[in-house]
Amino acid sequence: DIQMTQSPSSVSASVGDRVTITCRASQGISSWLAWYQQKPGKGPRLLIFAAYTLQSGVPSRFRGSGFGTEFTLTISSLQPEDFATYYCQQANSFPYTFGQGTKVEIK
Amino acid sequence: EVHLAESGGGLVQPGGSLRLSCAASGFTFRNYWMTWVRQAPGRGLEWVANMKQEGSEEHYVESLRGRFTVSRDNAKNSLYLQIDSLRAEDTAVYYCARGVTILGRVRYFDYWGQGALVTVSS
Repeated sequence: DIQMTQSPSSVSASVGDRVTITCRASQGISSWLAWYQQKPGKGPRLLIFAAYTLQSGVPSRFRGSGFGTEFTLTISSLQPEDFATYYCQQANSFPYTFGQGTKVEIK
Repeated sequence: EVHLAESGGGLVQPGGSLRLSCAASGFTFRNYWMTWVRQAPGRGLEWVANMKQEGSEEHYVESLRGRFTVSRDNAKNSLYLQIDSLRAEDTAVYYCARGVTILGRVRYFDYWGQGALVTVSS
C-alpha cells in the first residue's frame, strides 16, 4: 500500500497568514492526488484534485502543487472559515490512502 | 442539489452484523461510482470500498475484504455496506461519497454525507 505522510500535523496561524501543508507519498503517484477539508462533525469537502485542479466553488486562495512523491497545499491568505483539518489522498492505486491530517488552528 | 444521507449506524456487540445505507438525491445515481470511507474517533480517514455504476466491479481495502460487502440498488438510489463479525476496531463514523471518474477509473470523491456512527462494544 502507498503510505501518505503529511506535515506538519498541526499549525497555528492567524487570519491573513499564508499556510503551507506538505504531503509525501511512499512511492511515485504522478499527479493522482487530492486535498480535502474537514470541519468537526462534517464529511470532508474536496478542494483540489489531480494535484492542482481546483474543485468547482473552491476559493482561489487554495492552491495545490507537486508531482511524483511530494505535494503541497497552500492557503494564500487564511480566512476564518479555513480553520479545519486537511487531508491528502492518493488516487494512483488501490487501496486509496489518506494522509493522517493537518489541523489548522487559530493562533 | 447533491445530497447523501447515511443511516443504520448504532451500538452493536462484538461479533454482530450491521447494514449501513446511503440514500442519494440530486444527481443521476446510476451514473456514478460510489464509495465508503470510515473515520475512527479522533483519527484520520480510511478508504473502505468502491462500487462501479452498475455494480459490476467493486474494490475493498484488503484487510476488510470478507467481512465488508458493498452493494447498491440503482432503482432506489441507494448504496449499502454490510459489515459482519464486527470488532471493536470497526468503531467509526462511516461516510458514503460520490466518485469522480478520470480516465475510466474512480479517483476522487466530490460529495460526502454527514456520516453514520457505528460503535462496537459489549
